[in-house]
Amino acid sequence: AQTVTQSQPEMSVQEAETVTLSCTYDTSESNYYLFWYKQPPSRQMILVIRQEAYKQQNATENRFSVNFQKAAKSFSLKISDSQLGDTAMYFCAFMKSSGTYKYIFGTGTRLKVLA
Amino acid sequence: DAGVIQSPRHEVTEMGQEVTLRCKPISGHDYLFWYRQTMMRGLELLIYFNNNVPIDDSGMPEDRFSAKMPNASFSTLKIQPSEPRDSAVYFCASSLVNRAYEQYFGPGTRLTVT
Repeated sequence: AQTVTQSQPEMSVQEAETVTLSCTYDTSESNYYLFWYKQPPSRQMILVIRQEAYKQQNATENRFSVNFQKAAKSFSLKISDSQLGDTAMYFCAFMKSSGTYKYIFGTGTRLKVLA
Repeated sequence: DAGVIQSPRHEVTEMGQEVTLRCKPISGHDYLFWYRQTMMRGLELLIYFNNNVPIDDSGMPEDRFSAKMPNASFSTLKIQPSEPRDSAVYFCASSLVNRAYEQYFGPGTRLTVT
């Protein structure tokens, strides 16, 4: 069975600074996807970034980038130039690349960006 | 595109009552997913459909829960009878068949059972 662990329940960062959220996972699969979702107070789940396990290059989306370490089963999210609108819960998620299209979510990290 | 639409946004009901949650997926999407989010269990998949057919309902907690998708643009999740432990946020999501890893979530329905 797959598991996703987020060891930081809460974090804070000053506006314009950089923060890194941690995520580790466990799987015996060789092909899979990893995701970071953002859930602001509005409750909407918003996809931030996706990484395919077969790709060695780390995914980036504007101010968001990941550090994917497949051997270590680590998938951290870096947010650069943090903005007040980044305040939200962030969930790391895993999905096998075949079979059931089922996300396995971590427990989330609550990020607060301070003015 | 309007995105995934869910109704109602909030539902408060008494224990024992029937509750129906509704979802309209993004037009053209073939997959539809129902998730539940609670403090204790986090986000968990309840059931998903492909072209209106249920594919995996292993996450449905018990027989009190049922889900249907009568057509490509509408799905319901029904709880009968409801219990206080069903209180949660219920999300619907949809995706294209060849991009099922990219699911678009609705705004969720917050259900409170008293």
